[in-house]
Amino acid sequence: GAGVSQSPRYKVAKRGQDVALRCDPISGHVSLFWYQQALGQGPEFLTYFQNEAQLDKSGLPSDRFFAERPEGSVSTLKIQRTQQEDSAVYLCASSPRRTLQGARTGELFFGEGSRLTVL
Amino acid sequence: KQEVTQIPAALSVPEGENLVLNCSFTDSAIYNLQWFRQDPGKGLTSLLLIQSSQREQTSGRLNASLDKSSGRSTLYIAASQPGDSATYLCAVTKTSGSRLTFGEGTQLTVNP
Repeated sequence: GAGVSQSPRYKVAKRGQDVALRCDPISGHVSLFWYQQALGQGPEFLTYFQNEAQLDKSGLPSDRFFAERPEGSVSTLKIQRTQQEDSAVYLCASSPRRTLQGARTGELFFGEGSRLTVL
Repeated sequence: KQEVTQIPAALSVPEGENLVLNCSFTDSAIYNLQWFRQDPGKGLTSLLLIQSSQREQTSGRLNASLDKSSGRSTLYIAASQPGDSATYLCAVTKTSGSRLTFGEGTQLTVNP
């Protein structure tokens, strides 16, 4: 596809369920980012991959959150034993650059997000 | 810890008006600052990116300025149109260039 694709777009989970959110970045993009956006807030950084290497996972809120990008393309964000405070939109972004340092306008592309509601 | 604040939280203006959105950040050691647009239920679209060594960037009716020493940026929108209605987010890049720190956004409504 031409852009960053995320699935599912909407997910309703019962508290305690495990969920998996998928991100298909733009083909060939080196960097991939996950952000969490609560209602009415700005996105909060979760984790960052450069190809298959997870270089920064300091934003993951707990050990219930796990992300992978095994072949350096598609990424999955997994949330175990979901809780109500996990309800948010999870945004994925990709960039052809290895780092945002020195980036230019339009070099970071966001998907439309996966909206997770935990009941 | 870097904190980014945007004022106002919401703004409603009549069509044709020029307007300014404000962004401030607490740590001036940034690589760059970006302004994004977010439409309801959509992802973010990058509007303008200013490197830390630059003072401003322009694209069409948009002009973004950066005063790194004072920790401030403004987004100026000229001759606003209803299609400009969206949430505008600013974000700074620091710490190895791997993450953006976002403000909470300004929700703009331009009334016909």
